Amino acid sequence: AQSVSQHNHHVILSEAASLELGCNYSYGGTVNLFWYVQYPGQHLQLLLKYFSGDPLVKGIKGFEAEFIKSKFSFNLRKPSVQWSDTAEYFCAVASGGSYIPTFGRGTSLIVHP
Amino acid sequence: SQTIHQWPATLVQPVGSPLSLECTVEGTSNPNLYWYRQAAGRGLQLLFYSVGIGQISSEVPQNLSASRPQDRQFILSSKKLLLSDSGFYLCAAEDPAIAKNIQYFGAGTRLSVL
Repeated sequence: AQSVSQHNHHVILSEAASLELGCNYSYGGTVNLFWYVQYPGQHLQLLLKYFSGDPLVKGIKGFEAEFIKSKFSFNLRKPSVQWSDTAEYFCAVASGGSYIPTFGRGTSLIVHP
Repeated sequence: SQTIHQWPATLVQPVGSPLSLECTVEGTSNPNLYWYRQAAGRGLQLLFYSVGIGQISSEVPQNLSASRPQDRQFILSSKKLLLSDSGFYLCAAEDPAIAKNIQYFGAGTRLSVL
């Protein structure tokens, strides 16, 4: 079965700091990769996705993620965070033609103004 | 785009009482539907998914059940709640004909069993 690891459970940053959240998965075949975000009081929503093509994916609000197949990783990055990026971030992986993604445990990000 | 409606937003129930949480979907037909439980620090645990009316798959053994009486309606139920059923329940929908694997989530139901 697929497993998804998010190494950082809680991250606290100051505004303008750079962000990188780790995500690793276990399945070695074809994968679809996702980052979802849940802002305080809001629905969980898609931040960005990778299906194929350019392994560097651009998402909303200046976020990007890089798929490194050899490392089974899909890390989320943002060069300069804002207070409004405070949220919980979930990595998800769907593999082997399945339509059911497996979610990581989530990373809580707090950005201080 | 899809809109997922969940109610109630919060619910407090005594141990041993029944449960019925409803999820309805707008903006799509023949969606795949999902029930998740979200626990702090433990991510999203998939409970049930459905690819069509009357078709339910269970991912984990538990005290809960799910039903899909209509194409865009997904219900999470229990005959007798346990303390361990407390949690945050999320409904999600996916339209595999348009965007495979991309899920749209409802606002969730916070269930407290006392």
